[in-house]
Amino acid sequence: EVQLVESGGGLVQPGRSLKLSCAASGFTFSNYYMAWVRQAPKKGLEWVATISTSGSRTYYPDSVKGRFTISRDNAKSSLYLQMNSLKSEDTATYYCARQGAGVDYWGQGVMVTVSS
Amino acid sequence: DIQMTQSPSVLSASVGDRVTLNCKASQNINKYLNWYQQKLGEAPKLLIYNTNNLQTGIPSRFSGSGSGTDYTLTISSLQPEDVATYFCFQHNSWPLTFGSGTKLEIK
Repeated sequence: EVQLVESGGGLVQPGRSLKLSCAASGFTFSNYYMAWVRQAPKKGLEWVATISTSGSRTYYPDSVKGRFTISRDNAKSSLYLQMNSLKSEDTATYYCARQGAGVDYWGQGVMVTVSS
Repeated sequence: DIQMTQSPSVLSASVGDRVTLNCKASQNINKYLNWYQQKLGEAPKLLIYNTNNLQTGIPSRFSGSGSGTDYTLTISSLQPEDVATYFCFQHNSWPLTFGSGTKLEIK
């Protein structure tokens, strides 16, 4: 069974940093692109970042480019999202996701609140 | 960026009804279109991938169709457990984008 478990969320002040982690199990982690998707409270879904199987390629929307960094450790079956220069509009539930055909499996999400 | 427009934003139907949800892309997405169901307080769940492929474990009352810029999700006989918000998602080109969702309610 595919399992994705996020951690590292919480309350952070604007301009500060936070790093999310995702522990994957139930599949061969190194064979899949992985992604982060977020959802602001009572809002829709927004794709945040994708990383290739080896980690050599990363992709971001303009809204987070230059502030967020996705990374992975295949030996640990773990995915990360380093978020810098956080803004209030980054407040959301962040989902770790496996990118099979599009996004096929999702974690339960972790809440990030950016507020002073 | 490819904009994904879903309609209607809210749909109210009766149990047993055939229901159709629409998703329109701002340009051709070559059938790289997925549908997700999100129930209140839960993570999204994949229903349909690449326009018309049913994800493992999803009931056969769900189906998808479309091509080019226009796509549909059909529920052949609406069940009470189908109450949720449904999102479409294009993975044809970067940046990947979601529609704003259709909230499905039971009359």
